[in-house]
Amino acid sequence: DTAVSQTPKYLVTQMGNDKSIKCEQNLGHDTMYWYKQDSKKFLKIMFSYNNKELIINETVPNRFSPKSPDKAHLNLHINSLELGDSAVYFCASSRSGGNEQFFGPGTRLTVL
Amino acid sequence: DQQVKQNSPSLSVQEGRISILNCDYTNSMFDYFLWYKKYPAEGPTFLISISSIKDKNEDGRFTVFLNKSAKHLSLHIVPSQPGDSAVYFCAARPPYNNNDMRFGAGTRLTVKP
Repeated sequence: DTAVSQTPKYLVTQMGNDKSIKCEQNLGHDTMYWYKQDSKKFLKIMFSYNNKELIINETVPNRFSPKSPDKAHLNLHINSLELGDSAVYFCASSRSGGNEQFFGPGTRLTVL
Repeated sequence: DQQVKQNSPSLSVQEGRISILNCDYTNSMFDYFLWYKKYPAEGPTFLISISSIKDKNEDGRFTVFLNKSAKHLSLHIVPSQPGDSAVYFCAARPPYNNNDMRFGAGTRLTVKP
């Protein structure tokens, strides 16, 4: 059983398109996150959601929007994709106030 | 502003020897530190952590040391095994926001048989 799953694993698309990446966790956690791993390999937090409330929003373009239909899902929508959006995106989850985050396998996004 | 830095992008050690991975941070407010391990095509998995009230935490072959005055932590793996070959990420978190985890760029460890 996969604790945190993401789909798709790979996503190749053209500049200007709109795409979504889905994330689901079956751990019963109430906080979920999206991270971006850029070309320099840093993992940077983009968003976190706790009980459907956005907690963190780093300096992320508003073309990126997280959508949480329920506690087990946090999907990432990206509008008007740009070349610089190419990266690996990781979803993660944790208990509220928990120290450990559990990560999904990542989605490699390539914008052509 | 990278508040967590791993200055060695790679490290190679012989099986059975000690692996020492280093991490430096700039934010003195960080009070909890974690190490994650990542295999190719997988997400990072939690390995070991340490609170700022301690200077050492040990779990089997893995020990994390924290030097608050130097804003430095290290992960020791003894003895190193080929299965330990992975990318290791250091992460730190401030007390005022449990969800705001800051990661380093990772160190790729290769353990040679």
